[in-house]
Amino acid sequence: DGGITQSPKYLFRKEGQNVTLSCEQNLNHDAMYWYRQDPGQGLRLIYYSQIVNDFQKGDIAEGYSVSREKKESFPLTVTSAQKNPTAFYLCASRGLAGAHGAKNIQYFGAGTRLSVL
Amino acid sequence: DAKTTQPNSMESNEEEPVHLPCNHSTISGTDYIHWYRQLPSQGPEYVIHGLTSNVNNRMASLAIAEDRKSSTLILHRATLRDAAVYYCILRPVQGAQKLVFGQGTRLTINP
Repeated sequence: DGGITQSPKYLFRKEGQNVTLSCEQNLNHDAMYWYRQDPGQGLRLIYYSQIVNDFQKGDIAEGYSVSREKKESFPLTVTSAQKNPTAFYLCASRGLAGAHGAKNIQYFGAGTRLSVL
Repeated sequence: DAKTTQPNSMESNEEEPVHLPCNHSTISGTDYIHWYRQLPSQGPEYVIHGLTSNVNNRMASLAIAEDRKSSTLILHRATLRDAAVYYCILRPVQGAQKLVFGQGTRLTINP
């Protein structure tokens, strides 16, 4: 089954701690995205990557970092510099020409809910 | 990024049609109109998209105004499983394809 897997489903962060959220896709998609969603709000873009070993900041990148060493993986680290990390985090991928599904549709994972202890 | 305006909430009854409006008066000639929906505690899922002509798929229909400044997502026979937040988004034809999500329309379906 092709899809996007986010783990863990729930995550708790202590003060001053960095935590990493996992996002893996087996859709052979080139582009991947990280969004943050606060209660009752729409999604906001944190980082995105259009190709391996390259990524760009989105609208709210401060306090976050990413890497894209493999096509299928795009982990997000929430650093201690992010003072208000409690939110629902969503990862998405998008195929380019020839990939699974229509090329300009984003496919989302089930999300990780991050809370601060 | 071009902006869309949607009602905060709408309500309908099961097995009736639902028309979800979206205004996008600043749309550019190359922007696609995309609709996604988000069920409670899940990631968004794609519903439908179009450029100028009306579109139909197994989930819904998309009616686009002739001047492209508004569009309507049509669910032909709503079920309880259609209760979700529906987002209308403009996607540029070029570039990184970043999606800008507003607050969407929360659709409630009454049994």
